[in-house]
Amino acid sequence: NAGVTQTPKFRVLKTGQSMTLLCAQDMNHEYMYWYRQDPGMGLRLIHYSVGEGTTAKGEVPDGYNVSRLKKQNFLLGLESAAPSQTSVYFCASSLRVNGEAFFGQGTRLTVV
Amino acid sequence: GEDVEQSLFLSVREGDSSVINCTYTDSSSTYLYWYKQEPGAGLQLLTYIFSNMDMKQDQRLTVLLNKKDKHLSLRIADTQTGDSAIYFCAEGGGGADGLTFGKGTHLIIQP
Repeated sequence: NAGVTQTPKFRVLKTGQSMTLLCAQDMNHEYMYWYRQDPGMGLRLIHYSVGEGTTAKGEVPDGYNVSRLKKQNFLLGLESAAPSQTSVYFCASSLRVNGEAFFGQGTRLTVV
Repeated sequence: GEDVEQSLFLSVREGDSSVINCTYTDSSSTYLYWYKQEPGAGLQLLTYIFSNMDMKQDQRLTVLLNKKDKHLSLRIADTQTGDSAIYFCAEGGGGADGLTFGKGTHLIIQP
């Protein structure tokens, strides 16, 4: 069981560069989420999706875009990376709206 | 809006019990969760409790829920060095944006 898989695991970007983080889940979950984790800030929700073809803004959506073209994939894009986006990014999925969230292993992104 | 609060750090001696506390504001929460995050890893579900329960025990873990005070606690008996991690409290109130997480409690084990 792969569960939730994130790629890449590490990335260093220069300010202004763009990149896409990929999240894939094999549990047929409807709900998917992108969080960022920063020291002392806990987990903050960036964007989420309640099903294929849907996306919605979370707590800190600015500077990020997402797409959910296939049920199993949730992509997080940074169009023009900024040092403030240096963080660890986690993807999660769940079967029910208030059900257990399954997390990926994270992507450590550094923007220089 | 919904909020989950927990202390940032807890230090205990190896072999003692650890008690991590959490308070939440959403009275409609149906499930409450404890997640564990080890260094460099994602969050993994440790245990959960349904809102109509007062207590749940699972080996060394005991979860206590006081719904009236909106207070949740996680007790780890006989704390070991492998328990060193960040513990997150989370509540599921039914909003489409998923679970609401606390900021996490760093559990530090002293030899």
